[in-house]
Amino acid sequence: EVQLVESGGGLVQPGGSLRLSCAASGFTFSSYAMSWVRQAPRKGLEWVSGMSGSGGSTDYADSVKGRFTISRDNSKNTLYLQMNSLRGEDTAVYYCAKKYSSSSPAFDYWGQGTLVTVTS
Amino acid sequence: EIVLTQSPATLSLSPGERATLSCRASQSVGSYLAWYQQKPGQAPRLLIYDASNRATGIPARFSGSGSGTDFTLTISSLEPEDFAVYYCQQRSNWPPAYTFGQGTKLEIK
Repeated sequence: EVQLVESGGGLVQPGGSLRLSCAASGFTFSSYAMSWVRQAPRKGLEWVSGMSGSGGSTDYADSVKGRFTISRDNSKNTLYLQMNSLRGEDTAVYYCAKKYSSSSPAFDYWGQGTLVTVTS
Repeated sequence: EIVLTQSPATLSLSPGERATLSCRASQSVGSYLAWYQQKPGQAPRLLIYDASNRATGIPARFSGSGSGTDFTLTISSLEPEDFAVYYCQQRSNWPPAYTFGQGTKLEIK
């Protein structure tokens, strides 16, 4: 059974940093691209960042470029998101999501999410 | 950047009725479009990938169609558990990014 479990969310002041983790199980982690998707309170879904299965390719939304860094440790089956220079608009539930296949843009499995609140 | 526009924003129907949700892309995305269902307090669930393929475990009452810029998610006969928010999603090659539509809320009439 595929499982994605996020952790690391919490309350942080503007300008602060946080690192999210996503522990994966039930599939060959290194074979799949992964992404972070966030959802601000009462808002829609926003893709944040993605990484290839090998870790050799990364993409970022313009809204987080230069502030967030995605990484993965395939030996630990874990995806990370390092978030620096946090702003109020970064407040959201952050989901990690597994890409369905190399060709399809769909995400077939999602974690339960971890809440990040940026406030003074 | 490709923009996805979903309509209507809210759809009010009764159980047993047919639901038709629309997603329009600002430029062609081929058949590379996915649909998700999200209920309050839950993560999104993949319903349809590549425009018309049902994901594992998704009931046959859900179907997707379309290509290019116009896509439709149809729920043939609404069950009480189908009332939720639905999102479409695609990936653009340049700039490399994934985008979601703003969502359609399907509510009980």
